Amino acid sequence: EAQVTQNPRYLITVTGKKLTVTCSQNMNHEYMSWYRQDPGLGLRQIYYSMNVEVTDKGDVPEGYKVSRKEKRNFPLILESPSPNQTSLYFCASSLIAYSNQPQHFGDGTRLSIL
Amino acid sequence: AQKITQTQPGMFVQEKEAVTLDCTYDTSDQSYGLFWYKQPSSGEMIFLIYQGSYDEQNATEGRYSLNFQKARKSANLVISASQLGDSAMYFCAMREGRGLTGGGNKLTFGTGTQLKVEL
Repeated sequence: EAQVTQNPRYLITVTGKKLTVTCSQNMNHEYMSWYRQDPGLGLRQIYYSMNVEVTDKGDVPEGYKVSRKEKRNFPLILESPSPNQTSLYFCASSLIAYSNQPQHFGDGTRLSIL
Repeated sequence: AQKITQTQPGMFVQEKEAVTLDCTYDTSDQSYGLFWYKQPSSGEMIFLIYQGSYDEQNATEGRYSLNFQKARKSANLVISASQLGDSAMYFCAMREGRGLTGGGNKLTFGTGTQLKVEL
């Protein structure tokens, strides 16, 4: 089954404790992206990757890091999480950039930073 | 800067009735794509329908259709014969069409419309 898999689905942690949210897709997609969803703001892009070893900032990159060492994986790293990073996070992928194909989303990761 | 506006925070519709969810957008790009996603209470994002800026016909996917009015920059979602399972948050989103810079395949989302289908 074609899918984007995020882990963990839920995480409660404390300020300053490094965490990684993993994202993996099995569709051989070139393009991957991270979004965060906050009430009243819709989804906003954090980082994206056009292909392996090619990443760039989205609209709200502060406090986040990413890497794309393999085509299928695109982890999101919070080096020193803070309460304002409490949010619902989505990883998404699509075949290529600028395509008319929809982005496929993972099921989301709900992070609470205390 | 691109912007998506969804002016209806919440909507109610009777089962089996049709409902229109509004979406207007703002862009200076000639090439762009418009998407609608559904987010049920379980949280996942489900793709519903796509309309390209150069598509001459309105997109349709089963009970979903997109009323695309390019001159007015609107891309309203029409759901026919509403079902209880259609109760969800609905997001309109736009893809940038500019070159190799500026977010790649980034989707700019509206703030969503919460739809409630009633018996």
